[in-house]
Amino acid sequence: SYELTQPPSVSVSPGQTANITCSGDNLGDKYASWYQQRPGQSPVLVIYQDNTRPSGIPERFSGSNSGNTATLTISGTQAIDEADYHCQAWDSSTVVFGGGTSLTVL
Amino acid sequence: EVQLVASGGGVVQPGGSLRLSCAASGFTFNDYTLHWVRQVPGKGLEWVALMSWDTDTTYYADFVEGRFIISRDYRGNSLYLQMNSLRREDTALYFCARDGRLRGIGDYIDVWGKGTPVTVSS
Repeated sequence: SYELTQPPSVSVSPGQTANITCSGDNLGDKYASWYQQRPGQSPVLVIYQDNTRPSGIPERFSGSNSGNTATLTISGTQAIDEADYHCQAWDSSTVVFGGGTSLTVL
Repeated sequence: EVQLVASGGGVVQPGGSLRLSCAASGFTFNDYTLHWVRQVPGKGLEWVALMSWDTDTTYYADFVEGRFIISRDYRGNSLYLQMNSLRREDTALYFCARDGRLRGIGDYIDVWGKGTPVTVSS
C-alpha cells in the first residue's frame, strides 16, 4: 500500500519560513493536499491540488509538489500557526494520509 | 453554513457493533462524496471509507476487512458507518468529512465535522 512520510516535528521562529515535507513514491504524479489541526479541533484544509489555497486561508500558506516530495511552506510564521499538519494524497482508490508533523513556533 | 455532525460513538466490547451517523446540512447532499476518517488521540489521521455522491462507488481501507459498511440516506441527508466485529485497535475519534470536488471522488477533503469517540474495551 502507498505510504506518505512526514517528519514528526518542525520548529520555526516567529516571522521565519517553515517548510514541512511529505514524501512518497512519485508523489509528484499525484495531487497533494495539506490539513492544519489545532489541539482538540477538527482538521482544516489549507492547501489542495498541490498549491491551491481555499477561500479564507492566509496567503502565507503555499504548497509545491515535485518528484517524490510535496512541501507546505508557511511564510512569516505566526504563533497561531502552531498546530499539527497532515499531508494527503489519493492512490489506488484510497485516501492516504501522512503521519502528521507538529509545528512549534518558538 | 456547511455542517457535518457525527454521532453514535460510545463504549463497546471487543467483537461488538456500533452504528455511527453523520447529519449533513448547508449543501446539496446528492452532489458530494462523503468519507469517514478516524484518529487515535495524539496520532495521525487514518482514512476509513468513502461513498460516492451517487452511491455507485464505495471504497474501504484495507484494515476494514469487511467489518464496516458505509451507507447514506438521501431523504435524511445522513451518512452512516455500521461497524461490526470491533477490535481494540478501532478505538479512535471518528470524523465525517466531505470530498472537495463536486461529484468527484478522492482528491481532497474540504469540510470536516467534529468527531464522535469510539472506545472498544472490555
